[in-house]
Amino acid sequence: EIVLTQSPGTLSLSPGERATLFCRASQSVSSSDLAWYQQKPGQAPKVLIYGASNRATGIPDRFSGSGSGTDFTLTISRLEPEDFTVYYCQHYNNSPLTFGGGTKVEIK
Amino acid sequence: QVHLQESGPGLVKSSETLSLTCTVSGVSISSHYWNWIRQTPGKGLEWIGFSHYTGRTMYNPSLKSRLTLSVDTSRNQFSLRLTSVTAADTAVYFCARWSSTWRSFDCWGQGTLVTVSS
Repeated sequence: EIVLTQSPGTLSLSPGERATLFCRASQSVSSSDLAWYQQKPGQAPKVLIYGASNRATGIPDRFSGSGSGTDFTLTISRLEPEDFTVYYCQHYNNSPLTFGGGTKVEIK
Repeated sequence: QVHLQESGPGLVKSSETLSLTCTVSGVSISSHYWNWIRQTPGKGLEWIGFSHYTGRTMYNPSLKSRLTLSVDTSRNQFSLRLTSVTAADTAVYFCARWSSTWRSFDCWGQGTLVTVSS
């Protein structure tokens, strides 16, 4: 099983600042199999990025993804008030599909 | 517009069977792979498995011995059946559609809380 480790656990920033979230895989993952989700309280996760760097339909361009191999990054260029929530990475390189433990972006 | 809705008991007794159904609207279930994912404060998001209208299934090895997933094309629904539940199975259960193009879950139900009581 591939373990995805997200860091930091919590990121304290102000609106307008840049957020950088990390996802490290316990073994190499194909970039096409790495996705990022946003989850707001009481809601299901929503896909932001697929294939490590492709924005899903309707996702603002302040969200971007990068990385390869074992290290992936989600960047939010300028935080809007609605971006303060939890983010997860997910892979499907092989079974079982797994998610990272999440990064909470909170208002400083 | 694609819509997924979970349904089933919110309370299940320990050692009994948890059964959930996801009703899909806006798209035929005879396409895509249909998944179950659960979420707990302690373990986070856990992929349970998927079912396909062809009968193909794939299960998380950690649950495989207790799990059955199926698709009902006549009702445009898919289902989960988890036997011998314990408190560790208490979670919010989501149904979700897998996008083979995006290789991610592009559509989710709202989630349903299932509590296992002793």
